[in-house]
Amino acid sequence: KNQVEQSPQSLIILEGKNCTLQCNYTVSPFSNLRWYKQDTGRGPVSLTIMTFSENTKSNGRYTATLDADTKQSSLHITASQLSDSASYICVVSHDYKLSFGAGTTVTVRA
Amino acid sequence: DTAVSQTPKYLVTQMGNDKSIKCEQNLGHDTMYWYKQDSKKFLKIMFSYNNKELIINETVPNRFSPKSPDKAHLNLHINSLELGDSAVYFCASSHPGLAGVGGELFFGEGSRLTVL
Repeated sequence: KNQVEQSPQSLIILEGKNCTLQCNYTVSPFSNLRWYKQDTGRGPVSLTIMTFSENTKSNGRYTATLDADTKQSSLHITASQLSDSASYICVVSHDYKLSFGAGTTVTVRA
Repeated sequence: DTAVSQTPKYLVTQMGNDKSIKCEQNLGHDTMYWYKQDSKKFLKIMFSYNNKELIINETVPNRFSPKSPDKAHLNLHINSLELGDSAVYFCASSHPGLAGVGGELFFGEGSRLTVL
């Protein structure tokens, strides 16, 4: 079983709507959690980093949250745009290693 | 300016052949990586080099051999290609320091390998 689980696996939303992606992890000791965005045919790009003491962090229309007690993180996309269509990958640093989620594929339709 | 560049972007070859993928980063990072992304989009670490020294070598068949001539380059050579090697291979570098202690990964565009 993967130590970083993301849900949903994929979702389709209309342009202008909001959506929330989930990431649950079981790894420890926790160091930090990053969300990466991967456009089709490109490499992943870091959106946000969350450390143990941080609850919320925003990057434009992207807002990440972290609950280190329940080992859950979410990525909220506000007022989605066509350019938000991508895979979003949750990556957790722990014990000098990285564990990757399988990603959530978001499709934004006009 | 390209930060992490890898070539070729696409590679189609027959089973049993040997192929190489090259990677270069101009970010001044000390640590470089090779990742494999399968058809389910799952990224898996293969190798990591810090300042030309191998520091991570996951359970990868020894048909895969990385080479780092200097800290800005990390190439991947694959011998006797098999059907299961078909995937997208990503080169990455990290700053500051190791990605496993919080460094951000900077990825190349990927090299899609198709083995027929």
